[in-house]
Amino acid sequence: QSVLTQPPSVSGAPGQRVTISCTGSNSNIGTNYGIHWYQQLPGTAPKLLIYGNNNRPSGVPDRFSGSQSGTSASLAITGLQAEDEAHYYCQSYDSSLSGSVFGGGTKLTVL
Amino acid sequence: EVQLVESGGGLVQPGRSLRLSCRASGFTFGDYAMSWVRQAPGKGLEWIGFIRIKAYGGTPEYAASVKGRFIISRDDSKSIAYLQMNSLKTEDTAVYYCSRHPLYGDVSNWFDTWGQGTLVTVSS
Repeated sequence: QSVLTQPPSVSGAPGQRVTISCTGSNSNIGTNYGIHWYQQLPGTAPKLLIYGNNNRPSGVPDRFSGSQSGTSASLAITGLQAEDEAHYYCQSYDSSLSGSVFGGGTKLTVL
Repeated sequence: EVQLVESGGGLVQPGRSLRLSCRASGFTFGDYAMSWVRQAPGKGLEWIGFIRIKAYGGTPEYAASVKGRFIISRDDSKSIAYLQMNSLKTEDTAVYYCSRHPLYGDVSNWFDTWGQGTLVTVSS
């Protein structure tokens, strides 16, 4: 049971827009620590996609965006491409646990 | 090029110990806090521990699941972070990743760089 809750799977056709939700509590997403997102392609290490709610590291396409409101956050992917098929994880800091916490991960399937 | 390379994984019996290493290159290692994150086969990511930079005390923090069994340390002169795993259990079987926090960051920050991971299998 993960501290942050994500849907196990989402899907979309090429070119479409999909969103992945991440629900937490007042001790993690609801704080000022921010929410971060990672993409894990099959057989590879995770890669930082979004940090501090809605910031993209250099090299990440602007098709990826993040948002946060209260104790929930979302990752949006527009113009879906076949290479976006991967697992996506949200992450934050939990003040009650005094450590980082992850969502359980969402598998994105591009139809 | 910024790079993290883990090593030291392998097959180990329950109750035994194993030490993982994370060798960093391409950046000033001493300026960055480091974390270890693991992923059990077919499962999600689990943060297990972190170590601060020396300027902030160089102290570690641990997840409850490994506290008292695992020890994280760092050798800035060699640009290496270590994960000493003691009293290993079958449920510790996972790919172990080392990851870097942003410059002068802390445990509350994100992980901006990841190693390729090393597999630890705990089995008799």
